[in-house]
Amino acid sequence: KAGVTQTPRYLIKTRGQQVTLSCSPISGHRSVSWYQQTPGQGLQFLFEYFSETQRNKGNFPGRFSGRQFSNSRSEMNVSTLELGDSALYLCASSVLGQGGEQYFGPGTRLTVT
Amino acid sequence: AQSVSQHNHHVILSEAASLELGCNYSYGGTVNLFWYVQYPGQHLQLLLKYFSGDPLVKGIKGFEAEFIKSKFSFNLRKPSVQWSDTAEYFCAVTPGGATNKLIFGTGTLLAVQP
Repeated sequence: KAGVTQTPRYLIKTRGQQVTLSCSPISGHRSVSWYQQTPGQGLQFLFEYFSETQRNKGNFPGRFSGRQFSNSRSEMNVSTLELGDSALYLCASSVLGQGGEQYFGPGTRLTVT
Repeated sequence: AQSVSQHNHHVILSEAASLELGCNYSYGGTVNLFWYVQYPGQHLQLLLKYFSGDPLVKGIKGFEAEFIKSKFSFNLRKPSVQWSDTAEYFCAVTPGGATNKLIFGTGTLLAVQP
């Protein structure tokens, strides 16, 4: 089976712009979660989607949003980018609805200048 | 608030040395526990997991971890490390309930010297 794929892999944006990142889960996985990884804050949970519904949201401002499509693919959007949004954004998928092991993609490296 | 603590931020070992990385979590209910590894230039991979049953779990590449409920701990061990074990190790938990939300520790960077 193909793993979790994320596009694009690298992105450079300017402050104030918006960005959309995409994640395709492993075939058959209905749960998709997003995480932000930075040297200072480590890995932080952004949100989780299951069957097109957001089930959980982390402690991030409303500029961070996401959605999931009927084929389980997911997108996350960050509006009005700030320098502090520079990070590696990771997507993970799971076949189980809860508490299951998750498989991570390679991430999208976002740099905000 | 739920949290995960990894006490060792940076560990340096020689090949063949034994490894133990500490992990403690704060959550009073049922949890699922995980150790993930991130090798240089690679993405996060699952090393091992604990859901229930035998508190001593074995994972890939000779790693094992022991869940001690009374201590809220899930320490990772390996009897003899290799240079290829150089990586960053993350402990994580999912609190009980209908969620796949992972709460990660800050990570431990392990450097194994040949």
